[in-house]
Amino acid sequence: DADVTQTPRNRITKTGKRIMLECSQTKGHDRMYWYRQDPGLGLRLIYYSFDVKDINKGEISDGYSVSRQAQAKFSLSLESAIPNQTALYFCATSPAGGASYEQYFGPGTRLTVT
Amino acid sequence: AQKITQTQPGMFVQEKEAVTLDCTYDTSDQSYGLFWYKQPSSGEMIFLIYQGSYDEQNATEGRYSLNFQKARKSANLVISASQLGDSAMYFCAMKGGDQAGTALIFGKGTTLSVSS
Repeated sequence: DADVTQTPRNRITKTGKRIMLECSQTKGHDRMYWYRQDPGLGLRLIYYSFDVKDINKGEISDGYSVSRQAQAKFSLSLESAIPNQTALYFCATSPAGGASYEQYFGPGTRLTVT
Repeated sequence: AQKITQTQPGMFVQEKEAVTLDCTYDTSDQSYGLFWYKQPSSGEMIFLIYQGSYDEQNATEGRYSLNFQKARKSANLVISASQLGDSAMYFCAMKGGDQAGTALIFGKGTTLSVSS
């Protein structure tokens, strides 16, 4: 089984709908992240969490909210989806520690807002 | 502010040739890490190689090596003996700062196409 899983893998939704993307990990890492990828822009950070009680905004948090339900679960919500939120969304985890630790990515969720 | 720059939107190489993907970075931190990830057409992010700012030796992982030039703030990825399966998007990323272990900052990526 994959260490970092994301559900759903693909989703098409309509403008104005609320949608939740879920992320689960079995790596036992404290730190979890949500990124968004748009063509030509690389990955940009939406939110990150150092532990269940520590959640922080990233570069592009407007229009998004998150919930860290447990060490292993980190959900991203779009309260009222809009077409420019169409993107590939990645969840990632890393252990606490220094800059040497890589991040482990989930398989991504392709979200289309019509 | 930290920044990663990848100036090559696309690169083309023939099988068995070596290719260098460019990456420059900007940071005022003394301690930082540099990473390369591969993203094939299927979309997943695959970790390739890591270089620490205090590492004196260039990192190598199989056919991948990282040409780290600290004074020039560059961290180029070298792929030796390219294979068709190397065709993918490649991202350079950096992690560092006071909150070491925080999120990665990514460049915009370089698309590598390997032909036979």
